[in-house]
Amino acid sequence: NAGVTQTPKFQVLKTGQSMTLQCAQDMNHEYMSWYRQDPGMGLRLIHYSVGAGITDQGEVPNGYNVSRSTTEDFPLRLLSAAPSQTSVYFCASSPRRGSYEQYFGPGTRLTVT
Amino acid sequence: AQSVTQPDIHITVSEGASLELRCNYSYGATPYLFWYVQSPGQGLQLLLKYFSGDTLVQGIKGFEAEFKRSQSSFNLRKPSVHWSDAAEYFCAVGDGDQFYFGTGTSLTVIP
Repeated sequence: NAGVTQTPKFQVLKTGQSMTLQCAQDMNHEYMSWYRQDPGMGLRLIHYSVGAGITDQGEVPNGYNVSRSTTEDFPLRLLSAAPSQTSVYFCASSPRRGSYEQYFGPGTRLTVT
Repeated sequence: AQSVTQPDIHITVSEGASLELRCNYSYGATPYLFWYVQSPGQGLQLLLKYFSGDTLVQGIKGFEAEFKRSQSSFNLRKPSVHWSDAAEYFCAVGDGDQFYFGTGTSLTVIP
């Protein structure tokens, strides 16, 4: 079991560029989520999914898109990167929806210049 | 929206000393509460969780937490801290499909 994997580990983008952060889990978990972690602000939920084909917004969704075409994968897309999106991004999964414990990936450190 | 407050940004303790990390939450119903630990450059790992029942919950690595509804608190404790406990600790509350995290407490352990 690889658990939750994220790629890339590090990324530098220029303002206006687009990219996709990849997240995959091999635990057949129903629920997946994306967070951003900023100094002094803890983790904030960006988007989440309660199953294939179902996504919803979290606390800070602006500037990000997600899709969930399979149970395993939950990519996060930045359509036009901004310096305010410089952050560490974590993907997490949970066996099912409804406030159960989450398993986190190792994170992606993104810098937008 | 729900909120989680961790009033201590940074705590320093000596190895072998006891530890208490504070967490207060704002939530209308019975909360689902979690404590996670993050080592430098790593993702978060679940220490323990409270859903219902016994208000004193045991977790991994010798940690425990007590849910006090009257104080809206869920403080994390450890009787004797080890150097390897140095990390960042996050309290979180689950509200349906959404989770809210505190801003974290950074723990330094002095040998």
